[in-house]
Amino acid sequence: GAGVSQTPSNKVTEKGKYVELRCDPISGHTALYWYRQSLGQGPEFLIYFQGTGAADDSGLPNDRFFAVRPEGSVSTLKIQRTERGDSAVYLCASSTTGGQGETQYFGPGTRLLVL
Amino acid sequence: AQSVTQPDIHITVSEGASLELRCNYSYGATPYLFWYVQSPGQGLQLLLKYFSGDTLVQGIKGFEAEFKRSQSSFNLRKPSVHWSDAAEYFCAVGAHNTDKLIFGTGTRLQVFP
Repeated sequence: GAGVSQTPSNKVTEKGKYVELRCDPISGHTALYWYRQSLGQGPEFLIYFQGTGAADDSGLPNDRFFAVRPEGSVSTLKIQRTERGDSAVYLCASSTTGGQGETQYFGPGTRLLVL
Repeated sequence: AQSVTQPDIHITVSEGASLELRCNYSYGATPYLFWYVQSPGQGLQLLLKYFSGDTLVQGIKGFEAEFKRSQSSFNLRKPSVHWSDAAEYFCAVGAHNTDKLIFGTGTRLQVFP
């Protein structure tokens, strides 16, 4: 079946602009995760959804970052007033029901470049 | 706080040689441990995971890892490396009381023919 998909694959924007990054999880997966991977680093957790609600948003760096999952499937990560430091690969993952030890399946990521 | 350390940033091996990638974790209880591989342009793919039972875990593509509580380690091994194994490898721990993963900084594996 289809894996996790993310759009766009690449996004170039200017400092101060607003961007939206989309994630389509594996069908039927109730848990969805966003991570950010900077150059030369491992992925860093941003936010985790269980269904429509954010179960853990402790990784969001500041209030410029916001994510939604209104119908419990597709999720959108929104970044306001982008800064050059936001440049990174944004990864989305999903798992069947969530829970420790459950496999998270990752998408290919969206590479964001803020000029 | 939980953390993961991958001491080797870059490893180079010859094709057919054995491989061991190191991973050390900091965690207050029995950890959930994972190894993921990331090839250029690809998403992270799970190689194997440990959360209980046998401390030697078998994964895909001929990889295995051994959980050693006394050393707080979860090293990844492969007896004979193939050129297609060249990639970035990440060790991760499942965080306490949450479902997020905490990743190490990764080890880049280069394979020479």
